[in-house]
Amino acid sequence: EIVLTQSPATLSLSPGERATLSCRASQSVNSNLAWYQQKPGQAPRLLIYDASSRATGIPARFSGSGSGTDFTLTISSLEPEDFAVYYCQQRSNWPPALTFGGGTKVEIK
Amino acid sequence: QVQLVESGGGVVQPGRSLRLSCATSGFTFSAYPMHWVRQAPGKGLEWVALISYDRSDTYYADSVKGRFTISRDNSNNTLYLQMNTLRPEDTAVYFCARDLSDLTTLVNWGQGTLVTVSS
Repeated sequence: EIVLTQSPATLSLSPGERATLSCRASQSVNSNLAWYQQKPGQAPRLLIYDASSRATGIPARFSGSGSGTDFTLTISSLEPEDFAVYYCQQRSNWPPALTFGGGTKVEIK
Repeated sequence: QVQLVESGGGVVQPGRSLRLSCATSGFTFSAYPMHWVRQAPGKGLEWVALISYDRSDTYYADSVKGRFTISRDNSNNTLYLQMNTLRPEDTAVYFCARDLSDLTTLVNWGQGTLVTVSS
């Protein structure tokens, strides 16, 4: 089973600052990695898929990069609505089984 | 617009069964694989199960294999999760989600339904 490790667990930043979130896989997942945002009491929302493709309606300040085992989600300039928990997720080759990282909470400093 | 609405959650005793439903609209349900994902209170996300667009293939997390069954009714645009032999550790909010058609990406999510397993 592929394990996804996200770091840091918590990121304390101010609006307008740049956020850099890391996701490391225990073995290569090629580019089969997605990022989701979840706010309290809400369902997760897809931000990035295939490691770097923005989902429909996602602002350009969100970007994803990486391949293999190391991935990054970058929020170029934090808006008030971006303070949330972010999860990375991958799928094993076969049989398909999805796994999520433990999450990174981006909180207001 | 795409909508997914879960129902069927509630409080159930350990060892009992429960069936969740996910009513969908706004997209061609029969064309997409579908998933169930759960989230225990205060915890992260855990994938539960996947069903192919035509019901031919199903896949499960090891934690629910043999106890849970995912199914779908393409004529009624509805996804189901039959949960048997429930355990306290199955307590969670259960989300249904539409796949992007790559068996990897969860592109739309419902708001979730809470299942509490407790005596």
